[in-house]
Amino acid sequence: NAGVTQTPKFQVLKTGQSMTLQCAQDMNHEYMSWYRQDPGMGLRLIHYSVGAGITDQGEVPNGYNVSRSTTEDFPLRLLSAAPSQTSVYFCASSYRQGQGEAFFGQGTRLTVV
Amino acid sequence: GQQLNQSPQSMFIQEGEDVSMNCTSSSIFNTWLWYKQDPGEGPVLLIALYKAGELTSNGRLTAQFGITRKDSFLNISASIPSDVGIYFCAGRRGNYKLTFGKGTLLTVNP
Repeated sequence: NAGVTQTPKFQVLKTGQSMTLQCAQDMNHEYMSWYRQDPGMGLRLIHYSVGAGITDQGEVPNGYNVSRSTTEDFPLRLLSAAPSQTSVYFCASSYRQGQGEAFFGQGTRLTVV
Repeated sequence: GQQLNQSPQSMFIQEGEDVSMNCTSSSIFNTWLWYKQDPGEGPVLLIALYKAGELTSNGRLTAQFGITRKDSFLNISASIPSDVGIYFCAGRRGNYKLTFGKGTLLTVNP
């Protein structure tokens, strides 16, 4: 049982490049979410999904897209990376609404130069 | 947007001491959660609170959901070196979205 798996763990991008951060969970969780963590800012919600085919915006969605074609996967796309998107990104999942983000991935450290 | 004020920002304590940290908000929350994050890792859920006044323990950790629904605290008793890390509170107001505090950095001196 792998839990929540994020790839890659580290990534350096040039401004304007695009990439996809991968997130997969093998616990059949309905709810998945993406956060970014910046020094002194705590964790801020980017996008979330309450089930396959359903996504919604969080607190800081600009510059990011998501999709949820399967229960297991919830990729985060940066269409045109900017230095302001340098951060550590965490994917999280939980079984159902109201349970809290029970499981976080290990994070992806992204640097945009 | 909603804000959680988490304090203290950092703590330096001796092994064996008890620790207390708290989160307050101007808004009412229906759920309070406490997480711990080790360096290079994702946050790990420690305690979840779902009812006002609820007091829940997890080993040496105890957390309470404030009666006013606007605050929560976390206590760690008899601290040990592996308690070192960043502790986050998080609150939910009934939808899926969590609001996180900025964290308390705990250092334990052996």
